[in-house]
Amino acid sequence: AQKITQTQPGMFVQEKEAVTLDCTYDTSDPSYGLFWYKQPSSGEMIFLIYQGSYDQQNATEGRYSLNFQKARKSANLVISASQLGDSAMYFCAMSPQIYNQGGKLIFGQGTELSVKP
Amino acid sequence: DGGITQSPKYLFRKEGQNVTLSCEQNLNHDAMYWYRQDPGQGLRLIYYSQIVNDFQKGDIAEGYSVSREKKESFPLTVTSAQKNPTAFYLCASKMERQGHQPQHFGDGTRLSIL
Repeated sequence: AQKITQTQPGMFVQEKEAVTLDCTYDTSDPSYGLFWYKQPSSGEMIFLIYQGSYDQQNATEGRYSLNFQKARKSANLVISASQLGDSAMYFCAMSPQIYNQGGKLIFGQGTELSVKP
Repeated sequence: DGGITQSPKYLFRKEGQNVTLSCEQNLNHDAMYWYRQDPGQGLRLIYYSQIVNDFQKGDIAEGYSVSREKKESFPLTVTSAQKNPTAFYLCASKMERQGHQPQHFGDGTRLSIL
């Protein structure tokens, strides 16, 4: 079965420090995509970063990087230099094989990150 | 600016009533999606559409219906058959039907029972 697991319901980090949010996935598809989204308390879902299953290098977008370990089926999000505005829910998601799935996303349960001043 | 507009932001439903949530996008995206989010939970797929006049059920389609008469619009109707409709509903779109592009989301509609 295709599944995303986020084992940290909540995390705290001190402002300006780095934090890692865990994500493991389960799929037998050779081609898949992995995404991280941020959901502030207002509710909108903000796309942060994407990693393709065939990408050789870990994805980076500004302060966000994705630690992709294919053999372990993990796709952890690293946020460097945390800011107060980073406090939010973070969701890991996967899009299964390219064909016959309509590009739908499978989401994890989320991790609530709180940044302390 | 291009984006996805969901309306209304808040919606209340009476017993036995059908209600329709609006989702409009001006991104010229082919694919559109409806998700449901319950408190403290991740998103679950209700319906999706890859092309005009075609749509498929997601994981929790019972009690919901959709239409896709125009590329820009993908309204969701919560019918009286949906016994537990209180949730946050998110609409999303993606540029192409297949492939691994990110989905872009609207701001959501919060539905509650009166």
